[in-house]
Amino acid sequence: GAVVSQHPSWVICKSGTSVKIECRSLDFQATTMFWYRQFPKQSLMLMATSNEGSKATYEQGVEKDKFLINHASLTLSTLTVTSAHPEDSSFYICSARIGTSEQETQYFGPGTRLLVL
Amino acid sequence: AQKVTQAQTEISVVEKEDVTLDCVYETRDTTYYLFWYKQPPSGELVFLIRRNSFDEQNEISGRYSWNFQKSTSSFNFTITASQVVDSAVYFCALCSHINNFNKFYFGSGTKLNVKP
Repeated sequence: GAVVSQHPSWVICKSGTSVKIECRSLDFQATTMFWYRQFPKQSLMLMATSNEGSKATYEQGVEKDKFLINHASLTLSTLTVTSAHPEDSSFYICSARIGTSEQETQYFGPGTRLLVL
Repeated sequence: AQKVTQAQTEISVVEKEDVTLDCVYETRDTTYYLFWYKQPPSGELVFLIRRNSFDEQNEISGRYSWNFQKSTSSFNFTITASQVVDSAVYFCALCSHINNFNKFYFGSGTKLNVKP
């Protein structure tokens, strides 16, 4: 299947700092990527849809100023958690869409574990 | 409203047993897509299968099989002769077309423990 990478895989930071997470499609171009958040033992919660060359679409309840998304190229989307606080500690997963309509599938990155102290 | 229900929070079986993971979905769309993903302890979601709503054929892939029943809105996943490596959280997902793009709805996941 398609390969999606995320960097870093682990990050520990102090409260108040900003953290940037990268999501790359390695062997294909992705005009659309998605950012999810997963708390322990819970399902994935869609945070936003990242579209190449345009503004991200955020889900209800997700602060766009808190979670900055940039999709500057067809293979890279970044999520920046600004002024991180302990409640932002979570597992962040990106995915990239392949195919259109009937053939569409999402392939997921390995995730990034964020711990804010 | 779109919704995916995985009623089984956690299942434990002994190696070589067969196990079925249930998935029930709700949607008003006539065209939709169903998925199963595996999330091992490492965290990375692994794509297992994609099924279109107009294709009710069941599918078998090695020890994995899927039973799609549109009449009951179910898309169940069976692992035959389970192995310890099958231990993971399995997510069922519904892909629905909303506002000109497809959106995924995930179930809450079923944790499968396969004991030796």
